[in-house]
Amino acid sequence: DTAVSQTPKYLVTQMGNDKSIKCEQNLGHDTMYWYKQDSKKFLKIMFSYNNKELIINETVPNRFSPKSPDKAHLNLHINSLELGDSAVYFCASSQATYTGELFFGEGSRLTVL
Amino acid sequence: GNSVTQMEGPVTLSEEAFLTINCTYTATGYPSLFWYVQYPGEGLQLLLKATKADDKGSNKGFEATYRKETTSFHLEKGSVQVSDSAVYFCALRISSGSARQLTFGSGTQLTVLP
Repeated sequence: DTAVSQTPKYLVTQMGNDKSIKCEQNLGHDTMYWYKQDSKKFLKIMFSYNNKELIINETVPNRFSPKSPDKAHLNLHINSLELGDSAVYFCASSQATYTGELFFGEGSRLTVL
Repeated sequence: GNSVTQMEGPVTLSEEAFLTINCTYTATGYPSLFWYVQYPGEGLQLLLKATKADDKGSNKGFEATYRKETTSFHLEKGSVQVSDSAVYFCALRISSGSARQLTFGSGTQLTVLP
């Protein structure tokens, strides 16, 4: 059983399109995150939800909209995709908020052409 | 602000060589420190952690000691294996204030040759 699972694993799309990435965790954790990893492997937090409530919203274009229907799911919707959105997006979860012990999914590689 | 600086890679070693990956930090307050590892095609996994000065974290033959006087948390392993080839991330978390989320370094790519 995969603890944190993301779909799709690969996404190739054209500029201007809208796409979503889904994430589910079966660890019973209260907090979930989205991170963006660029081509140089640099990781930047985008959002964090605790029990469906948004608690971290870093400086991210408002084309990115997270949604948490319940504490086990955190989805990421991206409108009007741009070339610079190409990256690997990681979902993660943790037992508590502001802990350093995160469990990551395998990542979703988004390529915008 | 809070930040983590790692030695730039890539690092290439022969099997059984000694590994050191340097990590220094800047933080307001007293951070907890972490090393994460990302194997090819996978997400990050927590490798080890230390929560206070002079603590030593260890796992899978890797060790790192929290040095408050030098603000460092260098990762070491006495004898690397090909299977240790991965990207290693140093990270910190402070326990109070408005920026308590995990802050990562830029990662160091390690390649171990047989």
